[in-house]
Amino acid sequence: QITLKESGPTLVKPTQTLKLTCTFSGFSLGSSGLGVGWIRQPPGKALEWLALIFWDDEKRYNPSLKSRLTISKDTSKNQVFLTMTNMDPLDTATYYCARGAYCGGDCYDYWGQGTLVTVSS
Amino acid sequence: QTVVTQEPSLTVSPGGTVTLTCASSAGPVNSGYYTSWFQQKPGQPPTSLIYKTNYKHSWTPARFSGSLVGDKGALTLSGAQPEDEADYYCLLYNAGAQMFGGGTKLTVL
Repeated sequence: QITLKESGPTLVKPTQTLKLTCTFSGFSLGSSGLGVGWIRQPPGKALEWLALIFWDDEKRYNPSLKSRLTISKDTSKNQVFLTMTNMDPLDTATYYCARGAYCGGDCYDYWGQGTLVTVSS
Repeated sequence: QTVVTQEPSLTVSPGGTVTLTCASSAGPVNSGYYTSWFQQKPGQPPTSLIYKTNYKHSWTPARFSGSLVGDKGALTLSGAQPEDEADYYCLLYNAGAQMFGGGTKLTVL
């Protein structure tokens, strides 16, 4: 059974740095072709792709947010991390992690339940 | 920056057929965009329905299918059920980056 779960602060102040953790089970990032991505969704709005890291440590970033994002992994602990700097109220959103796979392009199958992050002073 | 456009809303009758589309401002959507489709119901995370244009997951109901229609990616629902009422998002892959569409709110009525 494949599961993913996001964790991190629910409230951050403007200008602070957000660090989220995705803890997963049922697969390993030591397996060729697999990855974990981060996607967010502001309340009532559309999904926005943020970043993706592969088993071989290849990383992909949303070009419009690349300067603020860092994705990393700890394969031994089945965890992927996302750091976002200089948080703004517009970054208030539910943040999801999802299992990715290289399918020619990048594909996702299993998703976590998401974690709501509010940016407010 | 590339913009991915979907119909904001569509309505389908129970048992009916509807096609949702996904267009890119960068040009025609082809197989190289590896179009994915996701369903999201209120208060729930997205569920993956289609990947790589027309591939289904083991859990994807048979009534959903993916394709290319003209210069757009497409998700067709044949035999709509009340439980198919949801938001649907497409995701396009292009040169190592991905972009979601704005979503389509599908009403089954």
